[in-house]
Amino acid sequence: GAGVSQSPSNKVTEKGKDVELRCDPISGHTALYWYRQSLGQGLEFLIYFQGNSAPDKSGLPSDRFSAERTGGSVSTLTIQRTQQEDSAVYLCASSLGQAINYGYTFGSGTRLTVV
Amino acid sequence: TQLLEQSPQFLSIQEGENLTVYCNSSSVFSSLQWYRQEPGEGPVLLVTVVTGGEVKKLKRLTFQFGDARKDSSLHITAAQPGDTGLYLCAGAPSGGSYIPTFGRGTSLIVHP
Repeated sequence: GAGVSQSPSNKVTEKGKDVELRCDPISGHTALYWYRQSLGQGLEFLIYFQGNSAPDKSGLPSDRFSAERTGGSVSTLTIQRTQQEDSAVYLCASSLGQAINYGYTFGSGTRLTVV
Repeated sequence: TQLLEQSPQFLSIQEGENLTVYCNSSSVFSSLQWYRQEPGEGPVLLVTVVTGGEVKKLKRLTFQFGDARKDSSLHITAAQPGDTGLYLCAGAPSGGSYIPTFGRGTSLIVHP
């Protein structure tokens, strides 16, 4: 597709369940980023992929969070044993390269609600 | 502590008014970017400023990068309801991580 695609767009889950969020970046974009956006908190960096490897996982808030990227394309963010504080919009962005000057194209996000 | 501080946090104005929003830091940035985000959507890149003192114009929007590359401003002339949204600045400090950090944004509402 022409843009970054994220699915699902909305997810409501019960506390303690696992969830998987998917990101399909723009074809040819080697860099992929996951951010979390909470009300009034701005965008919080989670993890960065260059190709299939993740040189920077420093933003993952706990070991319940993991992510992978396969074939240099689709990425999945998994949250295990979800907690209410995990409720947020999870945004994925892709870029031609790691330098900020390339600019990022964001998907529309997945709104996660943990009840 | 936020690396990039944006002000004001909220702005509500009438159509036709001018406004300026600010993005400030104590760190030097190699470049800064401005994004606009509408409800239910991801941020959309508006501009990248690279050179200290640089001014870029995008129709009614004027972006400026401070001489010391520590701050930036966005000025909107004759605001329109279509300008409503969350304006975010982002940058990666010089000599530091290449992962950009985002400010918390300025939420702008333009009333018809």
